Amino acid sequence: AQSVSQHNHHVILSEAASLELGCNYSYGGTVNLFWYVQYPGQHLQLLLKYFSGDPLVKGIKGFEAEFIKSKFSFNLRKPSVQWSDTAEYFCAVNANTGRRALTFGSGTRLQVQP
Amino acid sequence: DTAVSQTPKYLVTQMGNDKSIKCEQNLGHDTMYWYKQDSKKFLKIMFSYNNKELIINETVPNRFSPKSPDKAHLNLHINSLELGDSAVYFCASSQSGIRTDTQYFGPGTRLTVL
Repeated sequence: AQSVSQHNHHVILSEAASLELGCNYSYGGTVNLFWYVQYPGQHLQLLLKYFSGDPLVKGIKGFEAEFIKSKFSFNLRKPSVQWSDTAEYFCAVNANTGRRALTFGSGTRLQVQP
Repeated sequence: DTAVSQTPKYLVTQMGNDKSIKCEQNLGHDTMYWYKQDSKKFLKIMFSYNNKELIINETVPNRFSPKSPDKAHLNLHINSLELGDSAVYFCASSQSGIRTDTQYFGPGTRLTVL
């Protein structure tokens, strides 16, 4: 079975600070990796995804993530956060074959102070 | 032209009632899902349908019954509602295939059981 750990539950940053949110997964096979964002009161939106190829993936709104296979990690980064980045961030995985349902981490609440 | 839509957005009801939540996607996808997000924001898969066939049925009480009349619709019926059913329910859809398997989420239905 897959599992996902997000170690930062609540992160508070000032505008223009750099962001890195940790995500580690556990699974014996090949996985697809995702970061979703949930703005207050809204639905989940895809930030970026990794299926294969270049382990550094770029997403929307200046976010990027790096897949490090040896560390089973897929950390999310942004060099300079804005107040509008205040949201809940979820890391998720699914297996490359068979079962497609996403297994989510517990989420990280990011609060950006102006 | 919303990609994944859900109705209703809010649902407040008494314990013991039966209620339904509807989901429709206009993306032409062949797979649909129901996820439950609890009060701590944790997201967990409940059901998944592929081409109208149930393929994932997690350990969900049998008071919850999904129905897929066609590939574009996946409804969730809940019998004898309990306080613990209060949550946000998200519908999602995807197109099966290794590289295109990105899930798109609906806006969610906030269910409150009194």
